[in-house]
Amino acid sequence: DTGVSQNPRHKITKRGQNVTFRCDPISEHNRLYWYRQTLGQGPEFLTYFQNEAQLEKSRLLSDRFSAERPKGSFSTLEIQRTEQGDSAMYLCASSSLSGRREQFFGPGTRLTVL
Amino acid sequence: TQLLEQSPQFLSIQEGENLTVYCNSSSVFSSLQWYRQEPGEGPVLLVTVVTGGEVKKLKRLTFQFGDARKDSSLHITAAQPGDTGLYLCAGSGAGSYQLTFGKGTKLSVIP
Repeated sequence: DTGVSQNPRHKITKRGQNVTFRCDPISEHNRLYWYRQTLGQGPEFLTYFQNEAQLEKSRLLSDRFSAERPKGSFSTLEIQRTEQGDSAMYLCASSSLSGRREQFFGPGTRLTVL
Repeated sequence: TQLLEQSPQFLSIQEGENLTVYCNSSSVFSSLQWYRQEPGEGPVLLVTVVTGGEVKKLKRLTFQFGDARKDSSLHITAAQPGDTGLYLCAGSGAGSYQLTFGKGTKLSVIP
């Protein structure tokens, strides 16, 4: 399967702990996106990379959130000092440089902060 | 801020019925995508429309992009239980790669 993969699929943590999620995009895709989805809502944009450069960041991405894509391949999203309000599904998507801006999503990481 | 409003929010129909869901905005989008999402999974891309007035068909699903590229509709003919899911529309504006999503239409097709 050559789709977007995310690990872990589920993460339960205690408030105040740090968590890190990983996303592996479709291999030929240069663009990688992170979104967050809470219950009853559509996904909300967090940040976007083109190769290793982080080009856009949402105001939703507080100082406790950091994302990296060090070699322009996989990406990590770290949340420091988690809060209960961080509980959500974290989705990663990728797209190619050309074409119709179609973004393909991974299965997501479900975070629960106790 | 670009916003997308989807209606209806919930829809429960009998197998074999037809339905239409709507996606509306006051903003112009360069492209618009429709996704379907199952519980606990990521959205799966159904179609992308980029040209005003464009109509695309995917088996029993027909997608239309408004002439002004501010709205879209999804029509399902003879709905089946396998069509059950959350249907999301998402658009991107000129010069931006981030997608703005609607809240979705949760469809239940009862056998």
